[in-house]
Amino acid sequence: EVQLVESGGGLVQPGGSLRLSCAASGFTFNNYWMHWVRQAPGKGLVWVSHINSDGSSTSYADSVKGRFTISRDNAKNTLYLQMNSLRAEDTAVYYCARDRNYHEDYWGQGTLVTVSS
Amino acid sequence: QSALTQPRSVSGSPGQSVTISCTGTSSDVGGYHYVSWYQQHPGKAPKLMIYDVNKRPSGVPDRFSGSKSGNTASLTISGLQAEDEADYYCCSYAGSYTWVFGGGTKLTVL
Repeated sequence: EVQLVESGGGLVQPGGSLRLSCAASGFTFNNYWMHWVRQAPGKGLVWVSHINSDGSSTSYADSVKGRFTISRDNAKNTLYLQMNSLRAEDTAVYYCARDRNYHEDYWGQGTLVTVSS
Repeated sequence: QSALTQPRSVSGSPGQSVTISCTGTSSDVGGYHYVSWYQQHPGKAPKLMIYDVNKRPSGVPDRFSGSKSGNTASLTISGLQAEDEADYYCCSYAGSYTWVFGGGTKLTVL
């Protein structure tokens, strides 16, 4: 059974940093691209970032480019999102999702990030 | 990276059909066959319902179908059931390894 479990969310002050993790199991992690997608409270889904299977290629939404870094450790079956210079508008539930041929087929339950003073 | 345009809400009675539209541009919806649809119940993670415009993952009822014409994709749900009441999001590949979601549509089953 495919499982994705996010962790690392919490309350952080504006300008602060946070690192999210996504532990994957039930599939061969290093064969799949992965994504981060976020959802602000009461709002819609927004694609954040993508990484290819070996971590050599990454991409970002304009809203987070230069502040967020996606990475992965295939030996640990774990996806990461390093978030720096956080703003109030980054407040959201962050989901990791597995990519299967240009669509997200499995999603984690999400971790809440709140940016507030 | 502008969000795809979806109606904010649609509604239908049990047994009826509803269609949710998703309008983008030639740089996303119109340019690729990679449109997907997700169902999200309150407090839950999104669930894949349609991928590659019109393909259904295993386990998704055939009441759910997808199509595309030009820059607009559509999700049709026939034989509406109470459990279909949820938020629905479209998503399209937008080139250069970027993706864009629609703003979401709230489906109400009357």
